[in-house]
Amino acid sequence: QKEVEQNSGPLSVPEGAIASLNCTYSDRVSQSFFWYRQYSGKSPELIMSIYSNGDKEDGRFTAQLNKASQYVSLLIRDSQPSDSATYLCAAARGGAQKLVFGQGTRLTINP
Amino acid sequence: ETGVTQSPTHLIKTRGQQVTLRCSSQSGHNTVSWYQQALGQGPQFIFQYYREEENGRGNFPPRFSGLQFPNYSSELNVNALELDDSALYLCASSTGGSNEKLFFGSGTQLSVL
Repeated sequence: QKEVEQNSGPLSVPEGAIASLNCTYSDRVSQSFFWYRQYSGKSPELIMSIYSNGDKEDGRFTAQLNKASQYVSLLIRDSQPSDSATYLCAAARGGAQKLVFGQGTRLTINP
Repeated sequence: ETGVTQSPTHLIKTRGQQVTLRCSSQSGHNTVSWYQQALGQGPQFIFQYYREEENGRGNFPPRFSGLQFPNYSSELNVNALELDDSALYLCASSTGGSNEKLFFGSGTQLSVL
């Protein structure tokens, strides 16, 4: 079992709809979780961080964390074509510097 | 812009050669972490340097080594290159706080032929 698992996709969502990205993790010690967006040929860009159970909203993005179920999700509202990218979920192990990443979910927003 | 710069941007080497990748950390940051991202995969933690000492290492062989300098910039060295070392190498710097967010540099794309 991988430490952080994501559905690799591709996930296709029509423009304006809600995109839902999911991630599970196996190490209960992990306390901090991050979502990164990565455009093709570029480095990962931090979108959201979440440390406590519940929802955290930032603009069109909402991160959700459920530590009991070991589940993290990212919702993107009013999806735009510019949101088309690979989304990486990461769990911090032994400090925020040592992230364990999932393989990423490729998201395509269709105009 | 994260303030983390990496060089070179792209590099082509042949199997068996050695390579050095460089990272300049953001001003005030004393911790540097290196990650390897193979095509279609998420980044994998290689190691971290804190105040010039290695402070944690992932599942990478000893031919992956590093240095951190007094100005907190860093190098990643890979000896005896293998084809599977072809990847995007990412560097990130921070002050090392437990909940601190990690911001990556633009990366070095290494191709091993």
